[in-house]
Amino acid sequence: DAGVIQSPRHEVTEMGQEVTLRCKPISGHNSLFWYRQTMMRGLELLIYFNNNVPIDDSGMPEDRFSAKMPNASFSTLKIQPSEPRDSAVYFCASSPVGGNRGYTFGSGTRLTVV
Amino acid sequence: QQPVQSPQAVILREGEDAVINCSSSKALYSVHWYRQKHGEAPVFLMILLKGGEQKGHDKISASFNEKKQQSSLYLTASQLSYSGTYFCGTGAGNMLTFGGGTRLMVKP
Repeated sequence: DAGVIQSPRHEVTEMGQEVTLRCKPISGHNSLFWYRQTMMRGLELLIYFNNNVPIDDSGMPEDRFSAKMPNASFSTLKIQPSEPRDSAVYFCASSPVGGNRGYTFGSGTRLTVV
Repeated sequence: QQPVQSPQAVILREGEDAVINCSSSKALYSVHWYRQKHGEAPVFLMILLKGGEQKGHDKISASFNEKKQQSSLYLTASQLSYSGTYFCGTGAGNMLTFGGGTRLMVKP
């Protein structure tokens, strides 16, 4: 089991550019989550998918953020246009339905917007 | 609503014990505990699903007091490898809100 795979590991971009973060969940996990981690705000849930369907996106900060899950093995989080305050570590996590076995997090993408 | 963790930070010597608390203003249905080492992803430790449940994982155990809406994580005879930031996660169903974290440092 390769775990949850995120790419890229690091991304440095200029303000105003589009950024796309990618995630491959563990095979068989039906739930997928995008979290953002900063020193000031900790771990924030951005959006949650269940069986590829977005269930709760109330944590998405602005319309500049969008997420898709076109199939069970791939999800993207897009920021357009990016701003310096978007700089953070973005984690993708997956879990079986029900979550009784906990989340498995990917290694994260460290985004720096300059 | 984000659960509240205490203390925010703790420094231990190897072999000492520690308790980390997690409190919620909302009714708790389940509590997750995770550990995150610097520069790494959070790693799942355990989940508690019903009031009064206690679980153990090596020398790390946890309790869940549904009535008091709180959970505690107990680290016994701490080892250097226990260093990291501990997060509790609470929520209904599969969606978790994480506390602010407790930074634990174990020194030789």
